[in-house]
Amino acid sequence: QQQVKQSPQSLIVQKGGISIINCAYENTAFDYFPWYQQFPGKGPALLIAIRPDVSEKKEGRFTISFNKSAKQFSLHIMDSQPGDSATYFCAARGGANSKLTFGKGITLSVRP
Amino acid sequence: DVKVTQSSRYLVKRTGEKVFLECVQDMDHENMFWYRQDPGLGLRLIYFSYDVKMKEKGDIPEGYSVSREKKERFSLILESASTNQTSMYLCASSSQGYGYTFGSGTRLTVV
Repeated sequence: QQQVKQSPQSLIVQKGGISIINCAYENTAFDYFPWYQQFPGKGPALLIAIRPDVSEKKEGRFTISFNKSAKQFSLHIMDSQPGDSATYFCAARGGANSKLTFGKGITLSVRP
Repeated sequence: DVKVTQSSRYLVKRTGEKVFLECVQDMDHENMFWYRQDPGLGLRLIYFSYDVKMKEKGDIPEGYSVSREKKERFSLILESASTNQTSMYLCASSSQGYGYTFGSGTRLTVV
């Protein structure tokens, strides 16, 4: 049973375009929704996070949109750059022991 | 700068060997985790710990054990390494489930 599902599985975007990655969750007890960014050879690093009492959070070119009724949240990367090429994981906190449940990750490639 | 440090970046071990992967964090976090990462399978939780000497099984604990004798250190042990344990191993720490900090990973190859 996969509690956090990401889509698409991979994404190719032209430089300057908008990258959109979606995540759907099942457990309504989740209370914190972070996105992680991972470059090859490195561990994932926290990129941006949102709580369910907010519908949108923006940090620079990165925005999380949150739809509580649909149990979905998404990451938008504006003006995508080749340096954004990485694997992106969504996650949700809650359930037993309040640990994070991760999506499977998607690989984003930004073409020059 | 806060850190999670994994003792080895690359390891090559033989089938049947006992393997120790070490992880140290300097953030005084209560929670520590071991994941393995394989292509197409994402991050799979092996074991986690909420306090010294406490441990709980994750989703794929078979063939692994852990040790947490001190708050800052969490060790993953492969009792008898097998080729299907060839993977990237990631350690993480957090405070109450927020803001996990990951190490850079250990790429283990079992031959």
